[in-house]
Amino acid sequence: QSVLTQPPSASGTPGQSVTISCSGVSSNIGSYTVNWYQQLPGTAPKLLIYSNDQRPSGVPDRFSGSKSGTSASLAISGLQSEDEADYYCAAWDDSLNGRMFGGGTKLTVL
Amino acid sequence: EVQLVESGGGSVQPGGSLRLSCAASGFTFSDYYMDWVRQAPGKGLEWVGRTRNRANSYTTEYAAPVKGRFTISRGDSQNSLYLQMNSLKTEDTAVYYCTRSITTTTRGIGYWGQGTLVTVSS
Repeated sequence: QSVLTQPPSASGTPGQSVTISCSGVSSNIGSYTVNWYQQLPGTAPKLLIYSNDQRPSGVPDRFSGSKSGTSASLAISGLQSEDEADYYCAAWDDSLNGRMFGGGTKLTVL
Repeated sequence: EVQLVESGGGSVQPGGSLRLSCAASGFTFSDYYMDWVRQAPGKGLEWVGRTRNRANSYTTEYAAPVKGRFTISRGDSQNSLYLQMNSLKTEDTAVYYCTRSITTTTRGIGYWGQGTLVTVSS
């Protein structure tokens, strides 16, 4: 059971928008910024969003992040088939003194 | 360009030891926090531990499941990160990723190596 809670799956059709949630508590998301990672099948994870809502260079603006209180969200607009991947949120946790990952959300593009 | 290349993975029996290495290039190694993250087959990501940068005295922190068994070290002159794994258990079977922080001041994970597979089995 992960400290950060994500839905195990999400889906959408090409062109649609989808949102993935990440729920934590005061000692992690409530106190620290959230990062999001995309892991395409058979590859290493890649940074998608950092510091809650910042996109690294090269990440399309179809991807956006937000945070409110002890929850964060990743929004993907204009879904494309190549967005089919596992998505993970992450944040530092003061109580556990470690970096925590969500359990991951498998995004299927129908 | 930031590059992280892990090596040293393989098969080991329960109770055995293994040392992973990560060769880093494309940045000033001593300025960055470095973490190890693992992923068991078919499972999610799990943080293993980290070493801070030179400015923060290279101190280390570990996840509870590996504390006391795993040791992270770094050789700044060789631009290398290491993970010494002792008393290995079957549940340590995973792909192990070497990672670098986003920037020198933004400590989240920004870059990942390709990973190296460790299999613990009798």
